[in-house]
Amino acid sequence: AQSVAQPEDQVNVAEGNPLTVKCTYSVSGNPYLFWYVQYPNRGLQFLLKYITGDNLVKGSYGFEAEFNKSQTSFHLKKPSALVSDSALYFCAVRVPSGGYQKVTFGTGTKLQVIP
Amino acid sequence: DTEVTQTPKHLVMGMTNKKSLKCEQHMGHRAMYWYKQKAKKPPELMFVYSYEKLSINESVPSRFSPECPNSSLLNLHLHALQPEDSALYLCASSQGGSGHNEKLFFGSGTQLSVL
Repeated sequence: AQSVAQPEDQVNVAEGNPLTVKCTYSVSGNPYLFWYVQYPNRGLQFLLKYITGDNLVKGSYGFEAEFNKSQTSFHLKKPSALVSDSALYFCAVRVPSGGYQKVTFGTGTKLQVIP
Repeated sequence: DTEVTQTPKHLVMGMTNKKSLKCEQHMGHRAMYWYKQKAKKPPELMFVYSYEKLSINESVPSRFSPECPNSSLLNLHLHALQPEDSALYLCASSQGGSGHNEKLFFGSGTQLSVL
């Protein structure tokens, strides 16, 4: 089965410090990986995606993610955390399903940035 | 316009009621989705419409009935729901091609409570 895993339910980081939210994947063939963020009582917002090419992907709001094929990881990073980054973060993979594509999400990681 | 609009934002219904959730987008997207999300859990795919035809049904109970009247609208008809169906229902859309790099655009969701 093709899936993503987020090993941490919650990550706490001090404002101004670098942050990392972890994601590992299990995909046969080429992985198509995404990060989404969800603020309270809102839908999910796209942050960035990896399809092919450069292993370092830059996205919205200063976030970036590093694709590592040997470690099957796609960790989300930001050099300097803001209190407003506090939210729920989902890693996702797009997989084929009967000729169509569907997106499967990881279990989510709550990021808490402490002032 | 890069929004997906969902109405109502909140809905409380009894187990014998019939209600409908509505979703609208004007981005010209040809794929539309319904997801169900329990608190602090990832969204779970329910249905996918591609070019106004139902392409994926994730074995959803028949008390949930999707409808796609045209390329901009997506409905979810609810009948005889159970309390365990209480959740945040998210609508999403994407361009609708077969490409792997499509990102999803989400609405803010309908928070459903079944009494």
